[in-house]
Amino acid sequence: QQQVKQSPQSLIVQKGGISIINCAYENTAFDYFPWYQQFPGKGPALLIAIRPDVSEKKEGRFTISFNKSAKQFSLHIMDSQPGDSATYFCAAPMIYNQGGKLIFGQGTELSVKP
Amino acid sequence: DGGITQSPKYLFRKEGQNVTLSCEQNLNHDAMYWYRQDPGQGLRLIYYSQIVNDFQKGDIAEGYSVSREKKESFPLTVTSAQKNPTAFYLCASSLTGYGNQPQHFGDGTRLSIL
Repeated sequence: QQQVKQSPQSLIVQKGGISIINCAYENTAFDYFPWYQQFPGKGPALLIAIRPDVSEKKEGRFTISFNKSAKQFSLHIMDSQPGDSATYFCAAPMIYNQGGKLIFGQGTELSVKP
Repeated sequence: DGGITQSPKYLFRKEGQNVTLSCEQNLNHDAMYWYRQDPGQGLRLIYYSQIVNDFQKGDIAEGYSVSREKKESFPLTVTSAQKNPTAFYLCASSLTGYGNQPQHFGDGTRLSIL
């Protein structure tokens, strides 16, 4: 079964620090790699996504880095804040039946300490 | 505001009972999805639909059924055949079903056994 491997499973960072979450994938149907943020009791919300005609995309304090040859991509959260405490999921599109679907990593629970 | 509405927020099932979870979207998206979320297991795909009157099994379809009679609606029935139904259920939609578009999620239904 196709997989996306996400690490670490949990992460504790001090306020102002850098949070780094990594994902590795096997094969993709398309070049589209999103990250989702989920707060308790809520559905995941799209945080940032990259279509790798570039190796890096930055939106505010959030940056995706992409390494196509290694089949890896990562999320960096600069100047981490307590409000960033949430579960983060990476995803990659896989070929499925006649179309494609997103395969999600198992999630990283981030806790930012004040 | 456009979005996905899931109801109810909490649902309780008795032994031997079928229950139906509602999902409605007003984003004019063709594709809709149902995921199951258990602690530490990420998002697992139950069923998805790329277009009205068509749907496909996902990775964990046993014990579940769906219908897609209208573009806006994709209800999920958890049947009595699903022996471990306690989980957080998430509905999502995307513009197309090819995996290279962002998915928009509802805020979930938490199902428990009485």
